[in-house]
Amino acid sequence: DAGVIQSPRHEVTEMGQEVTLRCKPISGHNSLFWYRQTMMRGLELLIYFNNNVPIDDSGMPEDRFSAKMPNASFSTLKIQPSEPRDSAVYFCASSSRGRGVTGELFFGEGSRLTVL
Amino acid sequence: AQSVTQLGSHVSVSEGALVLLRCNYSSSVPPYLFWYVQYPNQGLQLLLKYTSAATLVKGINGFEAEFKKSETSFHLTKPSAHMRDAAEYFCAVSDRGNQFYFGTGTSLTVIP
Repeated sequence: DAGVIQSPRHEVTEMGQEVTLRCKPISGHNSLFWYRQTMMRGLELLIYFNNNVPIDDSGMPEDRFSAKMPNASFSTLKIQPSEPRDSAVYFCASSSRGRGVTGELFFGEGSRLTVL
Repeated sequence: AQSVTQLGSHVSVSEGALVLLRCNYSSSVPPYLFWYVQYPNQGLQLLLKYTSAATLVKGINGFEAEFKKSETSFHLTKPSAHMRDAAEYFCAVSDRGNQFYFGTGTSLTVIP
């Protein structure tokens, strides 16, 4: 089975530009998570979806960040406008949640964002 | 509420020595517990998990962890460190619902 697929792996952009990160979860998984990892703040949960519905977006830093999950096989995280402090590695993870499953997260390889 | 505390943000061991990475958790319900490993420039990979079966859990790459309810701990061990074990290790707890809580990570250095 293919794992969680993220694109792009690396993105370098200038301040003020729009950034869109993409994620394809593992087929059959019903939960999807977006995390951000930096040296200063470690691993932070930004938002997670259950059955394509956003459940908790309290970790989204501000209105410049938005996330969508239009269907079970695709999600996007958008930053508009981007700022240098958004530079980080963004991870997508998926899991299978429900009765009788342990729900461990499966992570993608991450998207490394650099905002100049 | 659930939370995870990893004692020691950096641990150094000699090659061949015992690896011990500490994790304590707080949970209001019987938890699921996990250890993840992150190699440089990669995502997090599941090492092992505790899901209320055997308290001693064996994982990949020779790692194991023991769930101790009385101590609310889930420490990760490996009898003999190898150079390839150098990585960042994360402990995590799940309340069996939708929430997953990660510790701040422990960076393991293996000295040749």
